[in-house]
Amino acid sequence: DAGVTQSPTHLIKTRGQQVTLRCSPISGHKSVSWYQQVLGQGPQFIFQYYEKEERGRGNFPDRFSARQFPNYSSELNVNALLLGDSALYLCASSPWGVPQPQHFGDGTRLSIL
Amino acid sequence: KQEVTQIPAALSVPEGENLVLNCSFTDSAIYNLQWFRQDPGKGLTSLLLIQSSQREQTSGRLNASLDKSSGRSTLYIAASQPGDSATYLCAVRHGIQGAQKLVFGQGTRLTINP
Repeated sequence: DAGVTQSPTHLIKTRGQQVTLRCSPISGHKSVSWYQQVLGQGPQFIFQYYEKEERGRGNFPDRFSARQFPNYSSELNVNALLLGDSALYLCASSPWGVPQPQHFGDGTRLSIL
Repeated sequence: KQEVTQIPAALSVPEGENLVLNCSFTDSAIYNLQWFRQDPGKGLTSLLLIQSSQREQTSGRLNASLDKSSGRSTLYIAASQPGDSATYLCAVRHGIQGAQKLVFGQGTRLTINP
């Protein structure tokens, strides 16, 4: 079975631009979460979505938004990019409401120039 | 606010040694704790998941323990191999029932020398 897939793998943007990152969860997983990992640090929680509704939000500005589609895939949008947004963006999927491990994709490496 | 700390930040040992990685968390109200491995520039690979009611989990040469009351977990790696070189992250699932927010430590960068 395919794991969590993310696209694109790498992205280079300039300050002020907007970016959309995509995630497809493992088949059967209805919950998708997004994390930001700055170099040398552990991932930080951004959002969790289930059944197209936001179920959790981390301490990130309103420039960050996300949505989930009927097929449970998800997009993360970041507006007005700042140099500090340069990071590895990770998507995780899991079944909802059961104590199962979260499974992560390989991430999208976003570089802001 | 839940905070997770991993010690040491980096560790270098010769091949064949047994080693222990440490993880501590400030709020014992967790649902579970998960250990991950991350290779450079890659995503996270789940190694072990320990539920809050469990004391330990084992997978091959890996053994993870959990002492929720003291806010500690350890990852024991037996007979280390160069292929074990990676960053190891622990994360606690914390929050309201159903919500699956993970709070991560900063990781331990492990190097196994041949």
